[in-house]
Amino acid sequence: AQKVTQAQTEISVVEKEDVTLDCVYETRDTTYYLFWYKQPPSGELVFLIRRNSFDEQNEISGRYSWNFQKSTSSFNFTITASQVVDSAVYFCALLTSGTYKYIFGTGTRLKVLA
Amino acid sequence: NAGVTQTPKFQVLKTGQSMTLQCAQDMNHEYMSWYRQDPGMGLRLIHYSVGAGITDQGEVPNGYNVSRSTTEDFPLRLLSAAPSQTSVYFCASSYGGGASGELFFGEGSRLTVL
Repeated sequence: AQKVTQAQTEISVVEKEDVTLDCVYETRDTTYYLFWYKQPPSGELVFLIRRNSFDEQNEISGRYSWNFQKSTSSFNFTITASQVVDSAVYFCALLTSGTYKYIFGTGTRLKVLA
Repeated sequence: NAGVTQTPKFQVLKTGQSMTLQCAQDMNHEYMSWYRQDPGMGLRLIHYSVGAGITDQGEVPNGYNVSRSTTEDFPLRLLSAAPSQTSVYFCASSYGGGASGELFFGEGSRLTVL
């Protein structure tokens, strides 16, 4: 069975702190895709990144970085020098190849305090 | 640049009433899906479609019907609403799942069943 666990329900940080959001996934498939989405207070869902199971290279995009480790089945998301605009709910999701059923985690609410 | 359009944005129903949530996309995406978002539960897949005339059940399909007569439209029907269906509903589309699998979401529809 496929599963995504985001154990951190809510995190609060002070602006400019670094913060890491954890995502642990379960799947028996060897080909799969992992995603992160952001849901700001306005409610829309915004795609951040996709990573396939054959590419364990970490990725950096500005203040955002992602650490994919197959050995620990984790796909963690780090925000460097957090800003108030980063306050949102962040979802990690899993899609296994050949299926069309995206499995989402329960989300982590990040609050960045000024 | 419409993307995924959902209507209505808000709806209040009485138990037993029926309604249809509309979803349309203008990106020629083959894949469309419906999710519900409940506090602490993340996003759960209700139904999905991989093309016109093809639909399948997701994680929580009971109480909901879908059809896909065109590539653009994927309506979600509640035949007899129940309070347990109070939720925020998101429609999402994707080019094809898998390698092209980032989801584009609508703005959401907040449904309250009294």
